[in-house]
Amino acid sequence: AQSVAQPEDQVNVAEGNPLTVKCTYSVSGNPYLFWYVQYPNRGLQFLLKYITGDNLVKGSYGFEAEFNKSQTSFHLKKPSALVSDSALYFCAVRDVTQGGSEKLVFGKGTKLTVNP
Amino acid sequence: DARVTQTPRHKVTEMGQEVTMRCQPILGHNTVFWYRQTMMQGLELLAYFRNRAPLDDSGMPKDRFSAEMPDATLATLKIQPSEPRDSAVYFCASGLPPDFVRAGELFFGEGSRLTVL
Repeated sequence: AQSVAQPEDQVNVAEGNPLTVKCTYSVSGNPYLFWYVQYPNRGLQFLLKYITGDNLVKGSYGFEAEFNKSQTSFHLKKPSALVSDSALYFCAVRDVTQGGSEKLVFGKGTKLTVNP
Repeated sequence: DARVTQTPRHKVTEMGQEVTMRCQPILGHNTVFWYRQTMMQGLELLAYFRNRAPLDDSGMPKDRFSAEMPDATLATLKIQPSEPRDSAVYFCASGLPPDFVRAGELFFGEGSRLTVL
């Protein structure tokens, strides 16, 4: 069964500094990896995904993530954080081996706070 | 702007009452998912459907929860009888068939916040 770990419950950064939100995953086959963001009292919104190809994927709002197969990681990054980036971030994995389910398994989430 | 619509947005009920949550997926999406979000457990998958057929409901307490898709525009999640531990935010999400460019991306509704007293 697939699983996702987000080792940090909370990340605090100053506005203008780079940010990293960590994610590691476990699947029996090949992974599809996703990042979603949730603002207060809202549903989750898709940020970016890794399917295949270039290990560095770029997404919405200046976010990017790097897929590292050897470390089974998919960390979310942004070169310069904004106060408006403050939200809850979820990493998710889907196992796409033949016969694999379409369901996404989410991590527990990391609360990002960007201080002015 | 296409979106997943969930009703009700908020529901307060008493223990033992029946609760029904509804979801209208985005037109053309063929997968529908029900997730439950709590502080303690995070996001848990309760059930999902492909082309209206239930494929996985292993995350759902079978004795009190049921999920159905009576047609392609409506998914329902029912709790009978409800208990205080069911208090959570319930999200519906829909997704495209796998041969589309955006396959694998889920579109979430705003959620139904359930409080069982």
